[in-house]
Amino acid sequence: DAKTTQPPSMDCAEGRAANLPCNHSTISGNEYVYWYRQIHSQGPQYIIHGLKNNETNEMASLIITEDRKSSTLILPHATLRDTAVYYCIVRVEPAGKSTFGDGTTLTVKP
Amino acid sequence: DAGVTQSPTHLIKTRGQQVTLRCSPISGHKSVSWYQQVLGQGPQFIFQYYEKEERGRGNFPDRFSARQFPNYSSELNVNALLLGDSALYLCASSLLGGKNSPLHFGNGTRLTVT
Repeated sequence: DAKTTQPPSMDCAEGRAANLPCNHSTISGNEYVYWYRQIHSQGPQYIIHGLKNNETNEMASLIITEDRKSSTLILPHATLRDTAVYYCIVRVEPAGKSTFGDGTTLTVKP
Repeated sequence: DAGVTQSPTHLIKTRGQQVTLRCSPISGHKSVSWYQQVLGQGPQFIFQYYEKEERGRGNFPDRFSARQFPNYSSELNVNALLLGDSALYLCASSLLGGKNSPLHFGNGTRLTVT
């Protein structure tokens, strides 16, 4: 399985962009990068995923480096409700097994 | 549309007992996966089912078993409960089962083994 490395914690000021990095240097060419977040006592929430190209949706943007060894999740205007644990994972075939690490705890401060 | 629903939300069992957890996927989703999340850690993969067939199994003992029904709902069974089985058990569904199909999680069943 391709492993991911994330900083254990980050802070961000409310209204500013939150940039969460993830290293996945052993990723294979056909493996997708996924981002989820988990707010206390709830199940993880899907945010975004990508293979090679940068992706954007209503929640966030995903920037994947050209060599695909790292990525950055961008929350353009962080709010207090974005405080959560953010997981970067790589999807493995054939089982679709997702290996979650310990994630990054993002704290958005007023 | 309803999301992934899990029942019960909380459960307390005694060591040695057996437990069955239930999951209803999002309508139209054919794949269901189960995860165990111990306090302070990320979710750990237990099983994936697609079209009622087991497609993957994580590093869990044979005390853990699961099945998927024709309506795509699923059950996770754990026999001979140990204290270490206390955790949040998460069910996730996806439209298909492959790597380009996002998982959508329920809010889990909190199992406490005493």
